[in-house]
Amino acid sequence: KAGVTQTPRYLIKTRGQQVTLSCSPISGHRSVSWYQQTPGQGLQFLFEYFSETQRNKGNFPGRFSGRQFSNSRSEMNVSTLELGDSALYLCASSPRPLRGTEAFFGQGTRLTVV
Amino acid sequence: ILNVEQSPQSLHVQEGDSTNFTCSFPSSNFYALHWYRWETAKSPEALFVMTLNGDEKKKGRISATLNTKEGYSYLYIKGSQPEDSATYLCAHSNTGNQFYFGTGTSLTVIP
Repeated sequence: KAGVTQTPRYLIKTRGQQVTLSCSPISGHRSVSWYQQTPGQGLQFLFEYFSETQRNKGNFPGRFSGRQFSNSRSEMNVSTLELGDSALYLCASSPRPLRGTEAFFGQGTRLTVV
Repeated sequence: ILNVEQSPQSLHVQEGDSTNFTCSFPSSNFYALHWYRWETAKSPEALFVMTLNGDEKKKGRISATLNTKEGYSYLYIKGSQPEDSATYLCAHSNTGNQFYFGTGTSLTVIP
């Protein structure tokens, strides 16, 4: 069974640009969640999508958005990039809603904003 | 406790030692407590998800307990091995579908 796939693995963007990250979940999983990991803040929950609907969102500004498609693949978009958005972005998939089940993580996308 | 707190922040133990870490979390609106292991250069790997007060789970040499009334969970590793070296994260999910990670306990097992 293929794992969670995130693309691209590495990305360099300029301040003010926007970026879209992609996540393909494990086949059959309907929940996709996104996380930001920075050295200072640790791993922080961004949002979760389940069956194409956003179930919940962490404490991030509106510049961070996402969506989920009918095949459960998900994208995360960050607009007007800031230097502080440089981080490792992880996505995870779950067969059921995240809150009560284990999540399977991808390898992450390392975003650098210059 | 408003945040998820883990202690200690880091730990060095000798191979063969047993060890344990603590995760403290808000007891109100509790739904589940999750434990993950995150090895360097790898993705976080789920260890346990616990929902009921008094839950105890075990996977090999690793076990965990849950006290939802007082808001804490313990993770135990028996007979630590070098391959147990990793950061151990706990995460708390509540009835409002919010999900919060602690900052983790970094474990180094010295051969």
